Amino acid sequence: KAGVTQTPRYLIKTRGQQVTLSCSPISGHRSVSWYQQTPGQGLQFLFEYFSETQRNKGNFPGRFSGRQFSNSRSEMNVSTLELGDSALYLCASTFGLSGSGANVLTFGAGSRLTVL
Amino acid sequence: QKEVEQDPGPLSVPEGAIVSLNCTYSNSAFQYFMWYRQYSRKGPELLMYTYSSGNKEDGRFTAQVDKSSKYISLFIRDSQPSDSATYLCAVRGETSYDKVIFGPGTSLSVIP
Repeated sequence: KAGVTQTPRYLIKTRGQQVTLSCSPISGHRSVSWYQQTPGQGLQFLFEYFSETQRNKGNFPGRFSGRQFSNSRSEMNVSTLELGDSALYLCASTFGLSGSGANVLTFGAGSRLTVL
Repeated sequence: QKEVEQDPGPLSVPEGAIVSLNCTYSNSAFQYFMWYRQYSRKGPELLMYTYSSGNKEDGRFTAQVDKSSKYISLFIRDSQPSDSATYLCAVRGETSYDKVIFGPGTSLSVIP
């Protein structure tokens, strides 16, 4: 059974550019959550999508957005990149909503974004 | 006060030692408690998962939850060099819209 797949694994951008990251969840999983991981702040929740709808959102500016497609694949976009956006972006999938019952997050390997 | 606090380490122990990793949390509404392990350049992987208070054992790993003191622990017996990683505790409430909140992680090195 394939795990959570994130692409690209590494990317370098410059300030002001935008970036799109992709996440393919485990087959059958309908929820995708996105997290930002930095050495200073740890893992911080960005948003969760379930059945193509954003169900929960963390405290990030509007430059961070996402969407989910009918096949449960998800993308997140960061516009007008800032140096502080350099981080490991992790995607995790669950069968149901991540806050529901015994659902636990299964993470991908992450996309490491460097903003110069 | 952060919702989940964890000593970042780094923690260095000799092979075979018993390791104790700990977290404290602030919200008594949290009911689900998890430990994730993250190797360098990898995503976190679930190690242990506990609902409410009590102990749970899986091989060399034991998770403990004390809701009265809002304290969660992970014990690793007979530690191995392959246990060298960052360990993240995580908590969650019970409603469908609760998000999983992670501690900052403790970096562990097991020296052969």
